[in-house]
Amino acid sequence: KAGVTQTPRYLIKTRGQQVTLSCSPISGHRSVSWYQQTPGQGLQFLFEYFSETQRNKGNFPGRFSGRQFSNSRSEMNVSTLELGDSALYLCASRAGQTGELFFGEGSRLTVL
Amino acid sequence: SQQGEEDPQALSIQEGENATMNCSYKTSINNLQWYRQNSGRGLVHLILIRSNEREKHSGRLRVTLDTSKKSSSLLITASRAADTASYFCATDRDYGGSQGNLIFGKGTKLSVKP
Repeated sequence: KAGVTQTPRYLIKTRGQQVTLSCSPISGHRSVSWYQQTPGQGLQFLFEYFSETQRNKGNFPGRFSGRQFSNSRSEMNVSTLELGDSALYLCASRAGQTGELFFGEGSRLTVL
Repeated sequence: SQQGEEDPQALSIQEGENATMNCSYKTSINNLQWYRQNSGRGLVHLILIRSNEREKHSGRLRVTLDTSKKSSSLLITASRAADTASYFCATDRDYGGSQGNLIFGKGTKLSVKP
């Protein structure tokens, strides 16, 4: 069974640009969560989707948005990038609404 | 805000020794999980312990949970150099019947020297 796939793995953007990150969950998993990881703040929860509905949202500004498609694939978008958005963005999926998360390798975003 | 806080922040031991990491949390939980992360990679699930369980084992891992103290510990026995990684606890908050997202602590960075 293929694991969680995140694309792209690395990207460099400049301030003011926007970025879209993609996540393909494990086949059959309906829940997708996104986390931002930085050295200073650690792992911060962004949002969770279940069956195309946003179930929970973390404390991030409206520049951070996401969506989930009918095939459970998910995207997150960050608009008007700031230097502080440089981070490892991790996607994780799970079969239901509880239990262990399966993580992808992450998308490392650098904002210059 | 962080739900779980790991202690210590960093731990350095020799191969063959045991490593103990602690986690404290703030609210009622349904379960507590431990994850491992090799540098710059994704997290890997190690073990899940439910709020009505007190101890759980998986191979060289032993996890305890004390809900009265809102704390958990992860013990890795007979550590190996390959255990070098960051270890995170994560809690699944109990919203009175419905479950929320997983909240992670800041992690313990374990270094096992050969």
